[in-house]
Amino acid sequence: KAGVTQTPRYLIKTRGQQVTLSCSPISGHRSVSWYQQTPGQGLQFLFEYFSETQRNKGNFPGRFSGRQFSNSRSEMNVSTLELGDSALYLCASSLAGSGDSPLHFGNGTRLTVT
Amino acid sequence: GENVEQHPSTLSVQEGDSAVIKCTYSDSASNYFPWYKQELGKRPQLIIDIRSNVGEKKDQRIAVTLNKTAKHFSLHITETQPEDSAVYFCAAGGQGGSEKLVFGKGTKLTVNP
Repeated sequence: KAGVTQTPRYLIKTRGQQVTLSCSPISGHRSVSWYQQTPGQGLQFLFEYFSETQRNKGNFPGRFSGRQFSNSRSEMNVSTLELGDSALYLCASSLAGSGDSPLHFGNGTRLTVT
Repeated sequence: GENVEQHPSTLSVQEGDSAVIKCTYSDSASNYFPWYKQELGKRPQLIIDIRSNVGEKKDQRIAVTLNKTAKHFSLHITETQPEDSAVYFCAAGGQGGSEKLVFGKGTKLTVNP
């Protein structure tokens, strides 16, 4: 079974631009979560989707948004990029979406904002 | 909100020794506690998890213990090997059926041959 696939692997953007990141979960997984990983803050929860509905959102500004499609694929968007948005963005999927299902992470998208 | 404290931030052991990493959490509603291993440049990978109705779980050289009263859980690695060198993250979650995890800041484990 293929793992969680994230595209693109690397992105370089300039301040003020917007970016869209894509995530394809493991086949059959209906829950998708997004995390931001930085050396200073570690892994921080962005949002969680289950059956196309956002179930939970982390403490990030409204510039960060996401959605999930009927095939469980998910995208996240960051508008008006800031230097501090430079990070590794990780997507994770789980089978049941029940709160205690193991999360399987993708390889991430490395975003650099200049 | 939930907060997870993880100690130590770095840990260096000799091959064959044991390693212990400790975490505490703040939200008593947390009921799911996974541990992830992240090698340099790679994705976090689940190595073991424990649910709140269990006090201890073991998988070969890895074990996790949970003390719900003290809001404390620990990872134990025995007979460490150089390939165990990585950053280990604890996490707490499961509140209200959400998949949201709150992660500790990580422990960089180095196993010296």
